[in-house]
Amino acid sequence: EPEVTQTPSHQVTQMGQEVILRCVPISNHLYFYWYRQILGQKVEFLVSFYNNEISEKSEIFDDQFSVERPDGSNFTLKIRSTKLEDSAMYFCASKRTGETGELFFGEGSRLTVL
Amino acid sequence: AQKITQTQPGMFVQEKEAVTLDCTYDTSDPSYGLFWYKQPSSGEMIFLIYQGSYDQQNATEGRYSLNFQKARKSANLVISASQLGDSAMYFCAMREGLRRPDNAGNMLTFGGGTRLMVKP
Repeated sequence: EPEVTQTPSHQVTQMGQEVILRCVPISNHLYFYWYRQILGQKVEFLVSFYNNEISEKSEIFDDQFSVERPDGSNFTLKIRSTKLEDSAMYFCASKRTGETGELFFGEGSRLTVL
Repeated sequence: AQKITQTQPGMFVQEKEAVTLDCTYDTSDPSYGLFWYKQPSSGEMIFLIYQGSYDQQNATEGRYSLNFQKARKSANLVISASQLGDSAMYFCAMREGLRRPDNAGNMLTFGGGTRLMVKP
């Protein structure tokens, strides 16, 4: 069964370092998302991406964050200068259709900022 | 105001019994969708069931059913015949603006979750 895959599963980094989280969405999906979940808290929307551009982003997604779909298969989230409060599980998700349609999540990438 | 409220931070249920996880939502949008996801201890988010605001019937998916009460703005998840493997966090989520032509409203808003523990 097709699935969303994410790498790395866990990354530890020093505060101020750049981090890139990678995702391979399901191949025929058109809408891509990043969500994050700080330990013990709710899942929060970061950004949605459609037709090679950001379609919506939350207040969390500030100038330190960027997304890219460089080669038609990977979908990346970059954090330019990590802060302690960026420590969280980051989930990539994708879906095929625009209106309804199930959102398929990856298994998440745990980021720990020291 | 919270868009999605899950009032039960934790619940126990006896194996083989049914359990209802509560979810209430707040929206003024006439077109929205409600989702339930399961998050086991391994961390992944597993889609369980979906209910559209215009759907006439309550959604069902195997042992999962959604008790959709539109006037009360509630979308409770019912799990029948609980199994030990059902022990997990359960999140209710909503997507608003399903029919906006500009594709805005793509995002899911999640509730705080309910931790379900199934006792043998």
